[in-house]
Amino acid sequence: EAGVTQFPSHSVIEKGQTVTLRCDPISGHDNLYWYRRVMGKEIKFLLHFVKESKQDESGMPNNRFLAERTGGTYSTLKVQPAELEDSGVYFCASSQVSSADTQYFGPGTRLTVL
Amino acid sequence: GDSVTQMEGPVTLSEEAFLTINCTYTATGYPSLFWYVQYPGEGLQLLLKATKADDKGSNKGFEATYRKETTSFHLEKGSVQVSDSAVYFCALREGGSYIPTFGRGTSLIVHP
Repeated sequence: EAGVTQFPSHSVIEKGQTVTLRCDPISGHDNLYWYRRVMGKEIKFLLHFVKESKQDESGMPNNRFLAERTGGTYSTLKVQPAELEDSGVYFCASSQVSSADTQYFGPGTRLTVL
Repeated sequence: GDSVTQMEGPVTLSEEAFLTINCTYTATGYPSLFWYVQYPGEGLQLLLKATKADDKGSNKGFEATYRKETTSFHLEKGSVQVSDSAVYFCALREGGSYIPTFGRGTSLIVHP
């Protein structure tokens, strides 16, 4: 069974540009989470989808970040326009509704904003 | 709010050395405690967990004991291997929430 996959693994963009990160959860997992780790700091929660609905987006830093999960399968996280402080590693995780406390994490996307 | 504090790394050890990575926490309730590990190029994996005071979590030779009196959950291994080189994250989760609060991570480098 494939794990959680994320694309791209690395992205380097300039300040003001747009970047879209993608997460493919484990098949059948209705819960999907986004997290971010800024260099050397804690992994912070961004938001949580249940199927295509946003269950909790309390961790989203500002309105430059837009997450979508059309059809309840893969999810995208768009940053527009990117700022220097957006640099970090963005993790995606998924879980089954029946065992929501067990999250499976992807390898992350390392975003560098110059 | 809840928080987790881990020792800063990197921690550099020779193979077969004893490992301790310190972790302390602050929480309003009675959280469950976790250690996650991220090997190079991979996602975070749950290494071990403990759900109440004095519980000991263990896996792959690693152990951690939930110490409520010292609000600690230190990770230990008696004899590390090169393959243990990774980043280790301590985390807590309050009852009723599925969202962990993570520490900053500690990088472990084990030399042959």
